[in-house]
Amino acid sequence: DIQMTQSPSTLSASIGDRVTITCRASQNLNNWLAWYQQKPGKAPNLLIYKASSLESGVPSRFSGSGSGTEFTLTISSLQPDDFATYYCQQYHSYPYTFGQGTKLEIK
Amino acid sequence: EVKLLDSGGGLVQPGGSLRLSCAASGFTFNDYAMGWVRQAPGKGLEWVSTISAGGGSTYHADSAKGRFTISRDNSKNTLSLQLNSLRAEDTAVYYCAKFRYSGGTFFDYWGLGTLVTVSS
Repeated sequence: DIQMTQSPSTLSASIGDRVTITCRASQNLNNWLAWYQQKPGKAPNLLIYKASSLESGVPSRFSGSGSGTEFTLTISSLQPDDFATYYCQQYHSYPYTFGQGTKLEIK
Repeated sequence: EVKLLDSGGGLVQPGGSLRLSCAASGFTFNDYAMGWVRQAPGKGLEWVSTISAGGGSTYHADSAKGRFTISRDNSKNTLSLQLNSLRAEDTAVYYCAKFRYSGGTFFDYWGLGTLVTVSS
């Protein structure tokens, strides 16, 4: 199974900050990586697919980068609506696996 | 507009069974693979099962193999997950999710989730 490791687990930041979340895979994913945002009590929402493709309707302050085994999600200027938990997920092979999540909190 | 309406969750005793359903609308259901993902209280996301668009191929997490069965009725635009031999560690919100194919397949839409509680 492919193990996904996210860091940090918790991130405290302020409105307007630039933040980066890292996701490392135990094997080469060939860029088959997605990022999701989840707010409390809600279903996850797709942000990024194929490592760097922005989902339609997602604000352009979100971006994804990386390749192989190391990937990042960047929010260029934090907005109040962005405080949530973020998950990476590999879809290179079954079983599909998620990172443990990064909770983005208001500083 | 894509809509996925999960239902069927509830309280069940250890060893019991439950059948989850997901009613889909807003897209051509039989063109897309579908799946289930669960989230234990306060925990992260865990993929559970996938079924191909035609229903001929299924995949299950090790935690689900031999106990859970995914199925679909393309005539009714409905996805199901039969849960048998339930354990306390199966307690979670179960989300149905639609796949999109773009080179690889990933989840692009999720239902609101249905809570399964396994407890005596």
